[in-house]
Amino acid sequence: GQSLEQPSEVTAVEGAIVQINCTYQTSGFYGLSWYQQHDGGAPTFLSYNALDGLEETGRFSSFLSRSDSYGYLLLQELQMKDSASYFCAHNAGNMLTFGGGTRLMVKP
Amino acid sequence: NAGVTQTPKFQVLKTGQSMTLQCAQDMNHEYMSWYRQDPGMGLRLIHYSVGAGITDQGEVPNGYNVSRSTTEDFPLRLLSAAPSQTSVYFCASSQNWDSATTYEQYFGPGTRLTVT
Repeated sequence: GQSLEQPSEVTAVEGAIVQINCTYQTSGFYGLSWYQQHDGGAPTFLSYNALDGLEETGRFSSFLSRSDSYGYLLLQELQMKDSASYFCAHNAGNMLTFGGGTRLMVKP
Repeated sequence: NAGVTQTPKFQVLKTGQSMTLQCAQDMNHEYMSWYRQDPGMGLRLIHYSVGAGITDQGEVPNGYNVSRSTTEDFPLRLLSAAPSQTSVYFCASSQNWDSATTYEQYFGPGTRLTVT
C-alpha cells in the first residue's frame, strides 16, 4: 500500500519559519510534490523533489531523503496569506497519492 | 489560456440520479485526472488518463466512469449517485508523466456535489 503522514495542524507567527514534515510508505516511488490549498480554492503546485536534497523556490523550500522516506516543506518569512492547507503527494508511476494535509495558521 | 475548466460549480442530486461532471483543458496536456476531496481530508484519485483513448482506475473508482475521446476533454460520469459521493471534485492536468519533469498538476476550480 501507499500512505503519507503529515501533522494535521501547525501554528506560527508572521515573519517566522515553519517546517511541515511528511513521511511516506510506498511500494514504488518517483518523487514527492507539495501543494497549497486555500479554503474554498483549488490546490496549486509548490514544488517537486525527485532526488535527495533541497529545492528552493523563493520563500519556499522542499527537502527529500529517499533513504529515510521523509520530506519536508520549509516556509520562510511567513505572511498572513500563507495560512492554508499544505499537502505532500508522492508519485508512484502514473498516480499521485496525497497526504491528509497540514493546516497552517499564521498569526500576527 | 483558460487553463482547466470545470462545470458545473455546484450540483445537488437525489440518490440514484446520474450526471456528468465536465472538465476541459486548453494546454494540450497529455495527462488528466479526477480527484475527490472530502471535508478536512486530502485528495483521492478516482480515474486518470495518460492520453486520448486511454483511461485507468485510481484509488477510489467505484461508482464512476470516465472517457477520453479528445486531448482536451475528460468527463466524469456518476452512474447512480449515492450520499457517500457528496464531495468536492477536482479535475487536474499535467503535460505528461515523465520522471524528468516537475510533475506539476494544474487543478480546475472544483465542483461541489451534494447527494441527498
